[in-house]
Amino acid sequence: DAGVTQSPTHLIKTRGQQVTLRCSPISGHKSVSWYQQVLGQGPQFIFQYYEKEERGRGNFPDRFSARQFPNYSSELNVNALLLGDSALYLCASSTEGDTQYFGPGTRLTVL
Amino acid sequence: QQQVKQSPQSLIVQKGGISIINCAYENTAFDYFPWYQQFPGKGPALLIAIRPDVSEKKEGRFTISFNKSAKQFSLHIMDSQPGDSATYFCAASTGGAAGNKLTFGGGTRVLVKP
Repeated sequence: DAGVTQSPTHLIKTRGQQVTLRCSPISGHKSVSWYQQVLGQGPQFIFQYYEKEERGRGNFPDRFSARQFPNYSSELNVNALLLGDSALYLCASSTEGDTQYFGPGTRLTVL
Repeated sequence: QQQVKQSPQSLIVQKGGISIINCAYENTAFDYFPWYQQFPGKGPALLIAIRPDVSEKKEGRFTISFNKSAKQFSLHIMDSQPGDSATYFCAASTGGAAGNKLTFGGGTRVLVKP
């Protein structure tokens, strides 16, 4: 069975640009969560979606937005990129239960 | 506010030894405590998880000990192997209608020397 997939693998952007990251959950999973992991730190929660509805939002500015599609895949958008947005962006999928399974992440570098 | 504190930040253990990582939490509403293993450039992989109604859970060489009154839990890696060299994260969540967002500790980098 395929796990959580994310695209692209790596991305390089300049300050002020906008970026869209994509995630496909494990088949049958209806919940997708997004996390930001800065180098050397633990992941920080950004968003959670369940059945296309936002279920939770972390302490991130409005430059960060997300959505979930009818097939349960998800996109994370970040506008007006800052140097501090450079991080590994992780997507996790889950069913109704607590267990979250993470994808390989998208490495975003902002120059 | 960091709600899950993890220690040590790093540790070195000889092959065959025991690695012990500790975590403490503040939010008594947390009811699910997973541990993740992460290799460089990869996403975190679930190792083992526990709920507060159980004091200990063992899966292979990995054991979680949970102390609800002290609001602490720990991961023990028995018979540590060089392939266990990775960063380990504890986490906690509340679940339920509020969603199951994970709050992570800061991570422990484990190096197992052959």
